[in-house]
Amino acid sequence: AQSVTQPDIHITVSEGASLELRCNYSYGATPYLFWYVQSPGQGLQLLLKYFSGDTLVQGIKGFEAEFKRSQSSFNLRKPSVHWSDAAEYFCAVGAGVTGGGNKLTFGTGTQLKVEL
Amino acid sequence: KAGVTQTPRYLIKTRGQQVTLSCSPISGHRSVSWYQQTPGQGLQFLFEYFSETQRNKGNFPGRFSGRQFSNSRSEMNVSTLELGDSALYLCASSFERVTEQFFGPGTRLTVL
Repeated sequence: AQSVTQPDIHITVSEGASLELRCNYSYGATPYLFWYVQSPGQGLQLLLKYFSGDTLVQGIKGFEAEFKRSQSSFNLRKPSVHWSDAAEYFCAVGAGVTGGGNKLTFGTGTQLKVEL
Repeated sequence: KAGVTQTPRYLIKTRGQQVTLSCSPISGHRSVSWYQQTPGQGLQFLFEYFSETQRNKGNFPGRFSGRQFSNSRSEMNVSTLELGDSALYLCASSFERVTEQFFGPGTRLTVL
């Protein structure tokens, strides 16, 4: 069974500082990996995805993530955080058609606070 | 292109009642998945429908059921509501299986 660990429950950064949110996954085969963001009272917005190919993927809002198979990690980064980035961030893993189709397993989320 | 829509956005029910939630996927999308989000359990997969067939089911009791119509719209039903069913129910759609999923705003269900 697949699982996702987001070790940081809360992170506070200053506006303009760089950001890295950690995500570790457990899955036997090549995973499909996603980062979503959720603002209070809202649904989930897809930031970026990794299916295959280049291990550094670019997403929306200036976010990027790097897939490292040797470390089972898919960390999310942003070089300069804006106050509007304050939200909850979820890492998710999908197993593919033979492993469960569109079933996503989510981490517990990281709440990002941005100090002005 | 319109996003995923969910109705109603808010619901208040009492224990023992049943409830039906609706989800309209993005036009052209054929896969619809449902998730439950609670503070204690986080985001949990309920089920996935593709071409009107349930393709996958999460670890939820039989009180939770769903269906998909020929136009890809989906409904989920929860019977005999319990206090613990209070949650944000999220619907997600994708073009095919194993492609990126786009989420709706959710239905906030409160069970009293």
